[in-house]
Amino acid sequence: NAGVTQTPKFQVLKTGQSMTLQCAQDMNHNSMYWYRQDPGMGLRLIYYSASEGTTDKGEVPNGYNVSRLNKREFSLRLESAAPSQTSVYFCASSANHGTGELFFGEGSRLTVL
Amino acid sequence: QKEVEQDPGPLSVPEGAIVSLNCTYSNSAFQYFMWYRQYSRKGPELLMYTYSSGNKEDGRFTAQVDKSSKYISLFIRDSQPSDSATYLCACLSGNTGKLIFGQGTTLQVKP
Repeated sequence: NAGVTQTPKFQVLKTGQSMTLQCAQDMNHNSMYWYRQDPGMGLRLIYYSASEGTTDKGEVPNGYNVSRLNKREFSLRLESAAPSQTSVYFCASSANHGTGELFFGEGSRLTVL
Repeated sequence: QKEVEQDPGPLSVPEGAIVSLNCTYSNSAFQYFMWYRQYSRKGPELLMYTYSSGNKEDGRFTAQVDKSSKYISLFIRDSQPSDSATYLCACLSGNTGKLIFGQGTTLQVKP
């Protein structure tokens, strides 16, 4: 039972470099989400995709782009990484948007030097 | 000011203690209230959810919502070392469908 799988689990970048975080779910869920988690700030929504073919901004979208590649996959791209983007990134999915029952991956730890 | 506020702790209690975890929120549009548990270096997992005001019990866990004071609580009875984790409250907006999390409270239950 894989659930939500994120890659890579760890990444170190230099300021200005770009990278893509990959996320895939095998639960046939319609909705997918990207959150970041920082000490003292909790989980903050970056972008979400309520259904295949749609994406919307969350609380902290600046500096990020997303692609809902198909129903299973939702990627997060940092075009020009900044130290402020050092964080733990979580992908999550839910059967439908607005249910509140999210299934999370194990996180991707990103450090930007 | 965040829409959902939670004391980050840490909170340390002896095994067997009753634990009370609390959150406050500011948005009256929130209709569903969740508690997620997150073990170290893992993703959060849904523990309990409640709709509107009232209590919901599941084994040693009780979730309580008071919409009049915009206050949510999670009580853990007979706490165990395996309950040591970070507990995140979350509120769901009926308008946007977005889930807004509190900062999380780190709990340590000592044997």
